[in-house]
Amino acid sequence: SAVISQKPSRDICQRGTSLTIQCQVDSQVTMMFWYRQQPGQSLTLIATANQGSEATYESGFVIDKFPISRPNLTFSTLTVSNMSPEDSSIYLCSVVLDTDTQYFGPGTRLTVL
Amino acid sequence: AQTVTQSQPEMSVQEAETVTLSCTYDTSESDYYLFWYKQPPSRQMILVIRQEAYKQQNATENRFSVNFQKAAKSFSLKISDSQLGDAAMYFCAYRRWNNDMRFGAGTRLTVKP
Repeated sequence: SAVISQKPSRDICQRGTSLTIQCQVDSQVTMMFWYRQQPGQSLTLIATANQGSEATYESGFVIDKFPISRPNLTFSTLTVSNMSPEDSSIYLCSVVLDTDTQYFGPGTRLTVL
Repeated sequence: AQTVTQSQPEMSVQEAETVTLSCTYDTSESDYYLFWYKQPPSRQMILVIRQEAYKQQNATENRFSVNFQKAAKSFSLKISDSQLGDAAMYFCAYRRWNNDMRFGAGTRLTVKP
């Protein structure tokens, strides 16, 4: 398995501001994913972030709202821009290892007031 | 598109008893992976068990086992000798090779002492 860390673990933000979430992995991985989990809901994929290429966004998610960086094989960031209370969720990064299993970071709990 | 259905929003089991969580999925692929993840209140997504579709033998991990019925597209999780620490949300997930993971809506498991 992989050790995945996320920063911050939680934050409370004001409407209209932006927050950048960091995801660090202890090994090099090609495929990295960002998910959103709204309160009481399942996980929804935001985008796939592969190193060396632009992130691929799922329907309903756009780059202007959720810009992603993937500068190397161990690190990625997700920014939640111009936040509104509807963005209050848990945001999780996930990676795929050689076994084709996805492992998840501990999540970032975001509350927007 | 692949979909994953968990028809039991909530389940309850007595400590030391056995419980089965249901999951069905829809796919036209023949090669894929299936997973059960556990999410306790800490929100960390923990891999419980995985199954490769090409394997006929059902996966087992200690007290956790699956009943994989490929033709019926069914993938249930059996938890034996339930413990208080098993209380959590359980998510069934499907993943095709080199693709992202799709999740069911989740089943909240309560373990009664």
